Amino acid sequence: EDQVTQSPEALRLQEGESSSLNCSYTVSGLRGLFWYRQDPGKGPEFLFTLYSAGEEKEKERLKATLTKKESFLHITAPKPEDSATYLCAVQAWDSNYQLIWGAGTKLIIKP
Amino acid sequence: EAEVAQSPRYKITEKSQAVAFWCDPISGHATLYWYRQILGQGPELLVQFQDESVVDDSQLPKDRFSAERLKGVDSTLKIQPAELGDSAMYLCASSLIVGTTDTQYFGPGTRLTVL
Repeated sequence: EDQVTQSPEALRLQEGESSSLNCSYTVSGLRGLFWYRQDPGKGPEFLFTLYSAGEEKEKERLKATLTKKESFLHITAPKPEDSATYLCAVQAWDSNYQLIWGAGTKLIIKP
Repeated sequence: EAEVAQSPRYKITEKSQAVAFWCDPISGHATLYWYRQILGQGPELLVQFQDESVVDDSQLPKDRFSAERLKGVDSTLKIQPAELGDSAMYLCASSLIVGTTDTQYFGPGTRLTVL
């Protein structure tokens, strides 16, 4: 069964303290892995898509990486405005482009 | 920048009443999704449209939920009658499939509270 697990459930960091969020997945054939950011009471905001193991993408303080079993979202020198829930989702080749979602990691950056 | 529009943003209703949510996807996006999201969980797909056709509604509780996209553009999701357990965020997303690439873009959501 296709499955996505994110860890940790919540992460509290001091401003400037770098860390990583994990997304492990089991899927029959990976078409793509997606990262989204979601602020409270709002819809998810697209960040990255990764397609193959070894691929990396960066945006400001965020860098996403992909292996055959998991993806990491690295956050470097975070600021309070990076506080949000980060959602990971995978898309399988035989899925009609549907996404299988993780439960998210709630990131809190303290000033 | 093109965005997915949803209305209303918030809806409070009483149990057994009917509610409806509206979504206008990004112009040109043929695929439209309705999701339900409970606090602390990832979105759960309710229905997927390709133009005006339903691709997948296997997770839609059809005894009380209905969805339509009559002209293949905007869409309406209806619940009748609403139950306490329907309280959640209802999200609409749209996408444009280019080759094998498909990125879903989300609207702001409708927060439903059933009393």
